[in-house]
Amino acid sequence: IAGITQAPTSQILAAGRRMTLRCTQDMRHNAMYWYRQDLGLGLRLIHYSNTAGTTGKGEVPDGYSVSRANTDDFPLTLASAVPSQTSVYFCASSDGQGGNEQFFGPGTRLTVL
Amino acid sequence: GQNIDQPTEMTATEGAIVQINCTYQTSGFNGLFWYQQHAGEAPTFLSYNVLDGLEEKGRFSSFLSRSKGYSYLLLKELQMKDSASYLCAVFDSNYQLIWGAGTKLIIKP
Repeated sequence: IAGITQAPTSQILAAGRRMTLRCTQDMRHNAMYWYRQDLGLGLRLIHYSNTAGTTGKGEVPDGYSVSRANTDDFPLTLASAVPSQTSVYFCASSDGQGGNEQFFGPGTRLTVL
Repeated sequence: GQNIDQPTEMTATEGAIVQINCTYQTSGFNGLFWYQQHAGEAPTFLSYNVLDGLEEKGRFSSFLSRSKGYSYLLLKELQMKDSASYLCAVFDSNYQLIWGAGTKLIIKP
């Protein structure tokens, strides 16, 4: 693989269910990010990780958790999904912070009913 | 609060020039990005400005004025494939990217 992959591509989920969105990058980037994108709004940062073993909260972290056990993987978990979490989720990575472009995965379209 | 403003939608003609504006109010400034996003796809990087002035890259140019909190993306010789959303994003003082809602650009033949 080259770049960032996300799985699944799309998912329909019943409210209250647990769901993990997967993200893997092979560029050896230190920093990784999870965003959600909703119509009419800019990308909003959910959680980020500046390096393996560390994570931080973004603008809209409630209802989501992340882990960063190694450089390549950055899964996002919804412990108990709610309809307001219906969105398109993008994972991104960058080679460090400030000034470095972020590379995006293809996204996961999640619908919570 | 932090805010980035862009027009919601613009229409232009194939072969013409279009300028997409972005104004920002953020807690600190560590650079401004422009990304392109085709419908149903991921954003892709276009340009990065950290100093005032114009950066040219082929048909696309990006301008920054830090004193005015203002940037624009200039697209020349428009092609149908340029139909997309264009996202403005600013690195704040904590190096977190603050994103505008994007400008949907419609190109007509």
